[in-house]
Amino acid sequence: AQSVTQLGSHVSVSEGALVLLRCNYSSSVPPYLFWYVQYPNQGLQLLLKYTTGATLVKGINGFEAEFKKSETSFHLTKPSAHMSDAAEYFCAVSARIIQGAQKLVFGQGTRLTINP
Amino acid sequence: DTEVTQTPKHLVMGMTNKKSLKCEQHMGHRAMYWYKQKAKKPPELMFVYSYEKLSINESVPSRFSPECPNSSLLNLHLHALQPEDSALYLCASSHPIAGGNTGELFFGEGSRLTVL
Repeated sequence: AQSVTQLGSHVSVSEGALVLLRCNYSSSVPPYLFWYVQYPNQGLQLLLKYTTGATLVKGINGFEAEFKKSETSFHLTKPSAHMSDAAEYFCAVSARIIQGAQKLVFGQGTRLTINP
Repeated sequence: DTEVTQTPKHLVMGMTNKKSLKCEQHMGHRAMYWYKQKAKKPPELMFVYSYEKLSINESVPSRFSPECPNSSLLNLHLHALQPEDSALYLCASSHPIAGGNTGELFFGEGSRLTVL
């Protein structure tokens, strides 16, 4: 069965510092992997996705992630944190596909705090 | 138009009330989803509709009743809820995974439900 583990429920960095949010997955088939961001009292917004092809994936707001099959990882990075990056981040793996619709399995989430 | 619109944004109901949550998208997506999210937790899948047919029911209690009147609309009918059902209810939609579509989910901002 597919699963996702996010290391660190809370990450705190200074403004301008590197952001690194860790995600490891378990999947019996080549995975589709996603990072979503959730701002307070809002829904989830897709940051980036990996399906096939290039293993370094660029997303919105300066974020990127690298798919490493040998390490079963899909860590999210941003070179320089901004105050507006403070939010909850969820890593997700596609667990099941039925008639074209997919069930996502989410990690527990990582709350990112940015210190001035 | 890349929006999933949910109404109402907030709902307070008693345990004997009947209410409905509504979701609408105009992106031509043929898969629509209901997720439940408790505070500080990841979203949990409830139902999936694919081509207007219910394809996944994650053993959700019958006091939650989904309905998909057409490819753009998704409802969640609520009856005889319990206080523990209080949560953020998120609707999402996606293209079916086929022909190069990778089926990422687009989420609405959610309906925050409080059951008294």
